[in-house]
Amino acid sequence: AQKVTQAQTEISVVEKEDVTLDCVYETRDTTYYLFWYKQPPSGELVFLIRRNSFDEQNEISGRYSWNFQKSTSSFNFTITASQVVDSAVYFCALSEAAYSGAGSYQLTFGKGTKLSVIP
Amino acid sequence: EPEVTQTPSHQVTQMGQEVILRCVPISNHLYFYWYRQILGQKVEFLVSFYNNEISEKSEIFDDQFSVERPDGSNFTLKIRSTKLEDSAMYFCASSEGGTNLYNEQFFGPGTRLTVL
Repeated sequence: AQKVTQAQTEISVVEKEDVTLDCVYETRDTTYYLFWYKQPPSGELVFLIRRNSFDEQNEISGRYSWNFQKSTSSFNFTITASQVVDSAVYFCALSEAAYSGAGSYQLTFGKGTKLSVIP
Repeated sequence: EPEVTQTPSHQVTQMGQEVILRCVPISNHLYFYWYRQILGQKVEFLVSFYNNEISEKSEIFDDQFSVERPDGSNFTLKIRSTKLEDSAMYFCASSEGGTNLYNEQFFGPGTRLTVL
């Protein structure tokens, strides 16, 4: 069974600080996908990134960067120079790629980390 | 940019009543999903739907739940007899599909269901 653990329930940082959100996953599959979603106070889920298990290259997108390490089953998310608009709940999610049900891939989410950026 | 839409944004109902939550997936997508998020908790998978039938469902998706694609655009989640514990945000999602390349799921804005 797949599982995602986000051990940090809440984090508070002062604006312009860097912050890393941790994500540890469990899966028996060799092929899987990892995701990060942002949920601002308005409630919608905003897709941030998808990685597949064969691509361990770290990715940077503006102030966001992701560190994927299969050896430790981690997919951590770093926000550099945080801003108040980054305040949200961030979810890490996993999808196993085993063929099931004609290609539907259910997402398993972690419990989320609530990030508060203080001006 | 195409997006998933959901109606209503907020539904209040009495315990024991039937509710139907509606979603319009992105038009060329083939796979549809429902997830729910109890307030302050994680997002949980309910069901996936493809080719007019359920592909997968979770333990949460019991006989009180059903899904339907009544026409070419809508995708609905019905709860036959609501319970207090059904109060949650319900998210619809859709994806293009394909068996060799995973396509990301695009989420709607959610319907907040409150059962009194």
